[in-house]
Amino acid sequence: AQTVTQSQPEMSVQEAETVTLSCTYDTSESNYYLFWYKQPPSRQMILVIRQEAYKQQNATENRFSVNFQKAAKSFSLKISDSQLGDTAMYFCAFMKPGTASKLTFGTGTRLQVTL
Amino acid sequence: GAGVSQSPRYKVAKRGQDVALRCDPISGHVSLFWYQQALGQGPEFLTYFQNEAQLDKSGLPSDRFFAERPEGSVSTLKIQRTQQEDSAVYLCASSLDSSGARSSYNEQFFGPGTRLTVL
Repeated sequence: AQTVTQSQPEMSVQEAETVTLSCTYDTSESNYYLFWYKQPPSRQMILVIRQEAYKQQNATENRFSVNFQKAAKSFSLKISDSQLGDTAMYFCAFMKPGTASKLTFGTGTRLQVTL
Repeated sequence: GAGVSQSPRYKVAKRGQDVALRCDPISGHVSLFWYQQALGQGPEFLTYFQNEAQLDKSGLPSDRFFAERPEGSVSTLKIQRTQQEDSAVYLCASSLDSSGARSSYNEQFFGPGTRLTVL
């Protein structure tokens, strides 16, 4: 079974600054996907960024980038130029490819962006 | 529709009542997932449908939980004789296909969830 660990329950960052959210995972699979999801107070889970384990290049999406260290089973999210709208819960998640591709989530990190 | 919808958004039940939570997936999406998110936790998998077939129900916490998707579109999660520990947000997600290929990936699109409070 896979496990996902987020050790930072809460983080705070000032607007326009950079923040890094940590995530580690455990799996015996060699091929898998990793995700960061954002959940604002509206509760809608929004996909922020995705990383495929067989790709060595770190994924980037505008102000969001990841540092994927496969050997260390580490998958951190960096948010640059933080904006007030980035305030939300952030969940790291794991998924095996293929049939019934259920997501395994961490416990989340609450990010507060301040003026 | 534009996205996954769920109803009701909020449900308050007295302990022992039965509840039914509805999920309308994105039209044409083959796969449908239910997750349970307790307060302060990440979502946890409950069950998975491919069209009308329930292929995985390993996450259902007890036999009081039952899900169906009779026509391969709308799904209902039913909880019988609700208990206080059932209080949570119930999230539904759909994806276009889960073809079974080893390297396949299908993005899951989430609904806004139903917040269930059992008194």
